[in-house]
Amino acid sequence: DGGITQSPKYLFRKEGQNVTLSCEQNLNHDAMYWYRQDPGQGLRLIYYSQIVNDFQKGDIAEGYSVSREKKESFPLTVTSAQKNPTAFYLCASSIEAAESPLHFGNGTRLTVT
Amino acid sequence: DQQVKQNSPSLSVQEGRISILNCDYTNSMFDYFLWYKKYPAEGPTFLISISSIKDKNEDGRFTVFLNKSAKHLSLHIVPSQPGDSAVYFCAASAEYGNKLVFGAGTILRVKS
Repeated sequence: DGGITQSPKYLFRKEGQNVTLSCEQNLNHDAMYWYRQDPGQGLRLIYYSQIVNDFQKGDIAEGYSVSREKKESFPLTVTSAQKNPTAFYLCASSIEAAESPLHFGNGTRLTVT
Repeated sequence: DQQVKQNSPSLSVQEGRISILNCDYTNSMFDYFLWYKKYPAEGPTFLISISSIKDKNEDGRFTVFLNKSAKHLSLHIVPSQPGDSAVYFCAASAEYGNKLVFGAGTILRVKS
C-alpha cells in the first residue's frame, strides 16, 4: 500500500526545545513538501524539495529547517526560533511533472507550551 | 495578501440537493486549480482539478467550473450526501513544481 506516513500523530513539547517531525513516502515521488495549517487559514508552504539533497524555502520558512538525504524521507525540524509553533503540520509529495496533484499524509498536531 | 480566497467559511445543504463551493483568485499566472477535501485530524485528499485551458471538468458527482475572465472557480456536488460533510480547500498553482497556494477552506455540512 503506497502512501505518506507522518509520525507521531500528536506531539507535545516545551517552549525552547527543537522538535523533528517525520515524513516518509513509498510512492516513489520526487517532490516533497511541508505545509502548516492554522485555524481559519489555508495551508501555508514551509519548505519543499524537488530532488534529493536540494530544497527551497516556502512562504513561511523562518524558524524551520529540513533535510532531504533520501528520496523517501523529508523530516522537518521546528526550532526554538519559530514564534508560533503550535499547529497542524502536513507533509505531501508529488511526481515531478506539471499538473500533478499533491498527495498528503495524515498530519502531525504539534503543541508547544 | 491572499491570492486564493474562499469567502464562505461554511455552507449547509440538504441531502440530495446541490452543493456549490466558490473560490476566487487574484494571480493571473495561476494555470492549474484543484479542490481538496479534508476530514478533521486527517490530511487533505485530492478531489478534482482543472487546467486553465478548460472551463469545466467532471468526475462523477463532482464538477469544477473555471471562469478565467472573472478569476473564479466553483465546485458543484450533485447530489450531496452526508459523507460529503468536510472542509473543502481550493488550491492553485502557477509554476512547474506544483507549489500550491491554498484558500482558507469552506466547511460543508450535508444534512440528512
